[in-house]
Amino acid sequence: AQTVTQSQPEMSVQEAETVTLSCTYDTSESDYYLFWYKQPPSRQMILVIRQEAYKQQNATENRFSVNFQKAAKSFSLKISDSQLGDAAMYFCAYRGDEGETSGSRLTFGEGTQLTVNP
Amino acid sequence: GAVVSQHPSRVICKSGTSVKIECRSLDFQATTMFWYRQFPKQSLMLMATSNEGSKATYEQGVEKDKFLINHASLTLSTLTVTSAHPEDSSFYICSARPPGLGETQYFGPGTRLLVL
Repeated sequence: AQTVTQSQPEMSVQEAETVTLSCTYDTSESDYYLFWYKQPPSRQMILVIRQEAYKQQNATENRFSVNFQKAAKSFSLKISDSQLGDAAMYFCAYRGDEGETSGSRLTFGEGTQLTVNP
Repeated sequence: GAVVSQHPSRVICKSGTSVKIECRSLDFQATTMFWYRQFPKQSLMLMATSNEGSKATYEQGVEKDKFLINHASLTLSTLTVTSAHPEDSSFYICSARPPGLGETQYFGPGTRLLVL
């Protein structure tokens, strides 16, 4: 079975600074996808960024980028120029490819609560 | 694009009653929808996978007679909590996945259920 681990229950960052959230996963599958979702106080889950495992290039979305280390099974999220609106719970998630045993189900980590200090 | 709605957003009911929660994909057809449960300060727990036109697949430990799922169309899945009890109080979230390889799941805004 696949597992996703977020070892930082809480993180804080000063506004305009950079913060990195950690995520590791365990899988025996070769094709999969990794995601970071954000859940603000409204509790709406919002996709932040996604990475296909077969792509070596790290995904980037504006101020959000990932450091994907496939061999180490690590998938960290870097938030640059942090803004007050970035404060939220961040979940790392794994999804196997269609042909894999895990199918289309998402496996979530425990989450990291990010606080942005003004 | 890729908007998922849920209704109601909040419901309070008496113990023993049944509650139906709707999940709709507004701008795409979703062959697969998912139902999650989330307790405060915790991660999302997958309850079941709902496939249009077929029976839902429930995760281990989830009572299928307690949590009835119907996915009658490509844009609508419903979760019915039957004979609700206070321990069923939780935040229920659905997600929908557009057809196609590698497609992302898009989440509804969630439904807060309180059983008195």
